[in-house]
Amino acid sequence: AQSVAQPEDQVNVAEGNPLTVKCTYSVSGNPYLFWYVQYPNRGLQFLLKYITGDNLVKGSYGFEAEFNKSQTSFHLKKPSALVSDSALYFCAAIYNQGGKLIFGQGTELSVKP
Amino acid sequence: DTAVSQTPKYLVTQMGNDKSIKCEQNLGHDTMYWYKQDSKKFLKIMFSYNNKELIINETVPNRFSPKSPDKAHLNLHINSLELGDSAVYFCASSQADPSSYEQYFGPGTRLTVT
Repeated sequence: AQSVAQPEDQVNVAEGNPLTVKCTYSVSGNPYLFWYVQYPNRGLQFLLKYITGDNLVKGSYGFEAEFNKSQTSFHLKKPSALVSDSALYFCAAIYNQGGKLIFGQGTELSVKP
Repeated sequence: DTAVSQTPKYLVTQMGNDKSIKCEQNLGHDTMYWYKQDSKKFLKIMFSYNNKELIINETVPNRFSPKSPDKAHLNLHINSLELGDSAVYFCASSQADPSSYEQYFGPGTRLTVT
């Protein structure tokens, strides 16, 4: 079955340090992959997507993600974390052109000063 | 200039009641969605409409009925509300073009059934 997994419920990082939020997918064909962020009591905001092309994609707020087909991973990264990056992050995949997004379970990122 | 708006933001009601949540997008998108986020923050699609036509209809009780009067609006009507319907409901929209599949989400409607 198609699925998206985020193996960490929570990631804690010190401000200024690099951060990684992990995502693996299990989809057939050529998936479209996405990262979204949800701030408290808000809707989701799109960060970045991988459709095709370069494996490293850059998105909003200095985030980037690397598509790794052999490891079926799409980890979210940022070179230097900010306290304001603290939020809930969702990885998601579309497995057909019908646009049905499958979400991972979310990872709570906490960046401490 | 809210891109995707939902009303109401909060909805508290008793079991057995019927309620509606409205959604509007001003992005000119062809496709709109309803998602449910449970208490553990897990997100699951409920419905998708493309140009007023139902495209995705997940395993959702038939007490939930989406209505799309035009492609800018997708409302969600819920009959005979149950305690388990308590959740945050998000509306979203996107272009149908596969190269532009990012979805834009509304602020959510927190439904509490007592």
